[in-house]
This record gives sequence, C-alpha cells and structure tokens, in this order.
Amino acid sequence: QSALTQPPSASGSPGQSVTISCTGSSSDVGGYDYVSWYQQYPDKAPKLLIYEVTKRPAGVPDRFSGSKSGNTASLTVSGLQEEDEADYYCSSYAGSNNVFGPGTKVTVL
Amino acid sequence: EVRLVESGGGLVEPGGSLRLSCVASGFTFSNFAVSWVRQAPGKGLEWISGILSGDGYTYYADSVKGRFTLSRDDSRSTVFLQMDSLRGDDTATYYCAKPVEWFDSSGYTGFDNWGQGTLVTVSS
Repeated sequence: QSALTQPPSASGSPGQSVTISCTGSSSDVGGYDYVSWYQQYPDKAPKLLIYEVTKRPAGVPDRFSGSKSGNTASLTVSGLQEEDEADYYCSSYAGSNNVFGPGTKVTVL
Repeated sequence: EVRLVESGGGLVEPGGSLRLSCVASGFTFSNFAVSWVRQAPGKGLEWISGILSGDGYTYYADSVKGRFTLSRDDSRSTVFLQMDSLRGDDTATYYCAKPVEWFDSSGYTGFDNWGQGTLVTVSS
C-alpha cells in the first residue's frame, strides 16, 4: 500500500488542462521539495517529467508543470494532446528512501 | 546518449535465485549511484535498491532486505542484483535507473534515465 495517494483516473479533451494530485504527509511530500513525476506508456519504461517539484528535464514540453502546497503535489498538463494518454506516477522523498504513488491513468477524450 | 540495458530475467521457481545485470553507457558510471525499481504486472512502481558510487554503500526496501544483494563493477559499468529466496510477489519487470544527482541512492532527485526492463516471473 502506497504512502502517497493519487486519483486512479483523470481525463480531458484535447486542448484542455488536466491536473493530477499526489497527496502524502509531512513525512514525505510536505516535508521535502523532492517530488518527481513520471509518464509511462504501456510496456514502456517510465519517463521523468518533473523533478524537485517544479523542474523540467531538457526535452520535456512546458505543457507539463509541477507544484506543491502543503502535503499535496500536483502535475498539470496544459493543452492536452492525444499523446498525453498514459499513466502518471508521482514520487517523493520519505526521509530514508523514495516512495511512489499508485499512478493515475489519463485519458484523452 | 545515456543507455541502461538490463538482462538476466526469466522464469524461476519459488525459493530460487536469479542475478540481474544492468550495463550502463553514455555517462561517467563510476561517479553515479544507480537504483533498481520494479513493477508488478498491472501495478505501480516500487523502488527496491540503490548503490552509491565510491564506497558502494547499498540501500534496500524492506520488501527485499535480506534476500536481494546489489553490487557494482565500475570497470564494466555494470550493476548486479542478486535475488535469492524469490517469492511469487517478486514477479515484476525490473528496471535499473540513473538518478539526476550522482549522490542519490533512491531516486528522490528523480530518475532521468531508465533501462528497458527485464521480466522476472516467480512461479512453479
């Protein structure tokens, strides 16, 4: 059972925005600025989208943005595209190791 | 270009052993920590082990502590995950992953490069 909570699903139409939450506690998300987000297509390795709450690796479109308030981190995908249909995982430092959320499946309607 | 290539997965009986390898290229391997992350079929991601550069200190998740051993050979840019006393709930795709920061043993700074994964199936 994950220490982090994500909604199992989210959806939006092309061009819209979708926001995925990742809720933890003061022992993980709320206690450190070490939240990452990953995108994963079926049968593919995860891809890093966001690290250290708000930073984007080179090559990741600025349609993807991260934020944090208290014990909840969020990933926003703006200008939704068909290729954004995938699973999204958050992760957070938890004091001694790194924990992942259960994942959110994003559907583009 | 950074590449991580895992190998060694397969079918093994409960209680058996398996050794996974991850060969890295495209970065100064000896300077970086490396981790293993697994994903059971249809499930989420789970960090299971990491190894530091330099002293090679290792870290393990509780789920594998005492059964899995992580090591590295910098001369071959390779990390090895020795898995003993395997159980059915160890069935998963196993990924090796490189962290953003060299000192990060568990991926809290983010994993910016992943291998393609190798499937381990524990079943009789």
